[in-house]
Amino acid sequence: KNQVEQSPQSLIILEGKNCTLQCNYTVSPFSNLRWYKQDTGRGPVSLTIMTFSENTKSNGRYTATLDADTKQSSLHITASQLSDSASYICVVRADYKLSFGAGTTVTVRA
Amino acid sequence: NAGVTQTPKFQVLKTGQSMTLQCAQDMNHNSMYWYRQDPGMGLRLIYYSASEGTTDKGEVPNGYNVSRLNKREFSLRLESAAPSQTSVYFCASSEGRYTEAFFGQGTRLTVV
Repeated sequence: KNQVEQSPQSLIILEGKNCTLQCNYTVSPFSNLRWYKQDTGRGPVSLTIMTFSENTKSNGRYTATLDADTKQSSLHITASQLSDSASYICVVRADYKLSFGAGTTVTVRA
Repeated sequence: NAGVTQTPKFQVLKTGQSMTLQCAQDMNHNSMYWYRQDPGMGLRLIYYSASEGTTDKGEVPNGYNVSRLNKREFSLRLESAAPSQTSVYFCASSEGRYTEAFFGQGTRLTVV
């Protein structure tokens, strides 16, 4: 069973709307959590990193939250743009080991 | 600033053929990795090299070999390709084993 579960698997939103992606993990011991954006045909690129003591972190229109007690994280996209169409991957580090979620595919339509 | 460069981008192999995927990074990183990405699954680690001169198995090493040629280059070899190795392969590098990984653009491999 994957130690990092993401939901939903995919979603479609209209340009300008907001959306929230979820990540639940069982990885232990927790070091940090990153959200990556993967455009079609490209490698993943880091959007934000969350450490144990951080609850919220923003990167432009992307806001990540972390609840280390419940082992949940979310990525909120505000005022979506067509360029936000991509797969978003949650990656949890335990010491030197990375565990990857399967990703959420976001499609933004005009 | 190229970052992590993989070659080739696309490849079709027949079952039993061999090939080497090339990866080079220009960020002076110590650690390098090979992952595979399959539909509906998270990236899985095939092999990694924590530093020049060392290599170790990851989650799914069977059917693969690697060579850390120097600090910049880390190659992945399939000695006898099988259809189960059809996947997208990503090379990544990081300054150390605990720091951010930077990924190449991927190699889409199809084994028929």
